[in-house]
Amino acid sequence: NAGVMQNPRHLVRRRGQEARLRCSPMKGHSHVYWYRQLPEEGLKFMVYLQKENIIDESGMPKERFSAEFPKEGPSILRIQQVVRGDSAAYFCASSPDPNQETQYFGPGTRLLVL
Amino acid sequence: QKEVEQDPGPLSVPEGAIVSLNCTYSNSAFQYFMWYRQYSRKGPELLMYTYSSGNKEDGRFTAQVDKSSKYISLFIRDSQPSDSATYLCAMEAGGTSYGKLTFGQGTILTVHP
Repeated sequence: NAGVMQNPRHLVRRRGQEARLRCSPMKGHSHVYWYRQLPEEGLKFMVYLQKENIIDESGMPKERFSAEFPKEGPSILRIQQVVRGDSAAYFCASSPDPNQETQYFGPGTRLLVL
Repeated sequence: QKEVEQDPGPLSVPEGAIVSLNCTYSNSAFQYFMWYRQYSRKGPELLMYTYSSGNKEDGRFTAQVDKSSKYISLFIRDSQPSDSATYLCAMEAGGTSYGKLTFGQGTILTVHP
């Protein structure tokens, strides 16, 4: 059973460009979570999605950031008009049922904004 | 004040030592407690998951939760160089906050031969 998959693993963007990060949850998992890890800091919750629904986006910056988890295909975290402060590691996690089990993390996408 | 406080270390111990890692928290709504291990430039890996006060043991690892003191610990017995990693505590309130993990800053552990 493959784990959570994220791609790309590394992404370089110039200021003002768009970044698209993809996450494929573990087989059988329908709940996806995105976290951001800034240098020297712990992971910070961004958003929790189920298929076609955003459940909790309380950790998402109000502007430039969006997330989706369509019926088919991976979850996408989209950052528009990136700035240097967006440089971080972005982790996706998945779970089968948040009421019963905790989350399993992917390897992360490391975004560098030049 | 952060909801979850964790001493970032770094912590350096000799092989075979007992390691104690700790987190305190301020949000009494937290019900579920986890410890993750994160190797350099990798994703966090779940080590322990508990939801009640007391001890839970898994091999060389013991997780301890004291809800009355808002304090959790992870003990590693007979530490090995392969245990060298960053250890993150994480907590979840449940209810309407299901799925939202709050992490500590992480403690960097080095076990030297």
